[in-house]
Amino acid sequence: EDQVTQSPEALRLQEGESSSLNCSYTVSGLRGLFWYRQDPGKGPEFLFTLYSAGEEKEKERLKATLTKKESFLHITAPKPEDSATYLCAAYTGTASKLTFGTGTRLQVTL
Amino acid sequence: EAGVTQSPTHLIKTRGQQVTLRCSPISGHTSVYWYQQALGLGLQFLLWYDEGEERNRGNFPPRFSGRQFPNYSSELNVNALELEDSALYLCASSHGQGAFNEQFFGPGTRLTVL
Repeated sequence: EDQVTQSPEALRLQEGESSSLNCSYTVSGLRGLFWYRQDPGKGPEFLFTLYSAGEEKEKERLKATLTKKESFLHITAPKPEDSATYLCAAYTGTASKLTFGTGTRLQVTL
Repeated sequence: EAGVTQSPTHLIKTRGQQVTLRCSPISGHTSVYWYQQALGLGLQFLLWYDEGEERNRGNFPPRFSGRQFPNYSSELNVNALELEDSALYLCASSHGQGAFNEQFFGPGTRLTVL
């Protein structure tokens, strides 16, 4: 069965304190690894898609990387507005479905 | 450009009732996806429609069903509601089919089953 696990469940950082969120996956036939940001009471907002091991993508203070077993979302010098739940999801072409992890709740304080 | 819209925003039903949730995708998007986000659980894939056809469904019982209309809007129907159906139901849309690429999500419908 396809599985996506995110760690840590929750992370509290001070403004400017860089860190990484982990997404490990056990799926058959990975076609893409997605990162989303979700604010309370809202739908997820698309951030990145990674397709192959070694691929990296950046957007402002966020950088996503992918290996054969896991993906990392690096947050550099975070600001309070980066506080949100970050979700990763694996797309498996064989099943044509998206399997989500349970997310990492990030809180960035001043 | 208008985003994905969903209605209603909130809904309260009692066990055994039936409910219909609605979703309008972004203009030009032909794929619509439905997800369930229960408290403490990750998003669970429910259904995927493209060009009016059901392309795939997740591990949910048949009382969860839906359809996509010629204008690409979609409905999710849940029959015989159970307490554990209480959740945020999210709809997303994307260009074309196949890759679940860059799905844009709506704000969701919060369903409470009493």
